[in-house]
Amino acid sequence: KAGVTQTPRYLIKTRGQQVTLSCSPISGHRSVSWYQQTPGQGLQFLFEYFSETQRNKGNFPGRFSGRQFSNSRSEMNVSTLELGDSALYLCASSLPTGETQYFGPGTRLLVL
Amino acid sequence: SQQGEEDPQALSIQEGENATMNCSYKTSINNLQWYRQNSGRGLVHLILIRSNEREKHSGRLRVTLDTSKKSSSLLITASRAADTASYFCAPENNAGNMLTFGGGTRLMVKP
Repeated sequence: KAGVTQTPRYLIKTRGQQVTLSCSPISGHRSVSWYQQTPGQGLQFLFEYFSETQRNKGNFPGRFSGRQFSNSRSEMNVSTLELGDSALYLCASSLPTGETQYFGPGTRLLVL
Repeated sequence: SQQGEEDPQALSIQEGENATMNCSYKTSINNLQWYRQNSGRGLVHLILIRSNEREKHSGRLRVTLDTSKKSSSLLITASRAADTASYFCAPENNAGNMLTFGGGTRLMVKP
């Protein structure tokens, strides 16, 4: 099976802009989770989608949002970008609950 | 919080030696997963150990879980330079697929 894919791999934006990142899960996986990784805060959970519904949410401001489509592909959106949003954004897919989460290669976002 | 905390933060060993990393967490879990991350890249899944398991092996990796002490350990035997990476534990509770990570253990294996 193909692994989790994320696009784009690299992105440069300026403050105030918005960005949309995409994640395609492993075939058959219906749960997609998003994580942010920064040197200062480490790996932090953003949110999880299952069957097009947000099932869990981390402690991030409302500027961070996501959605999941009927084919389980997911997008996350960050509006009004801030310098501190520069990070590696990782998505992971898994079977519904309690199973291994498989991570994609990540999207590296740089906000100038 | 359910966050896993790895110990030590950094570990430097010679090739061929064993490396042991520890993880502690605070509340009951459904399972605990170990991941490896090479610099700036995605996380590679190593092992998932369920709450009713005490030990699990995968190649040169051995993971133990002690739910009474809320701790887990990852042992890498006969380490190689290619094992140089950061290692993270991620406890998962019964609330769904929400992994919480600690700061990881940065392992350096010197050739």
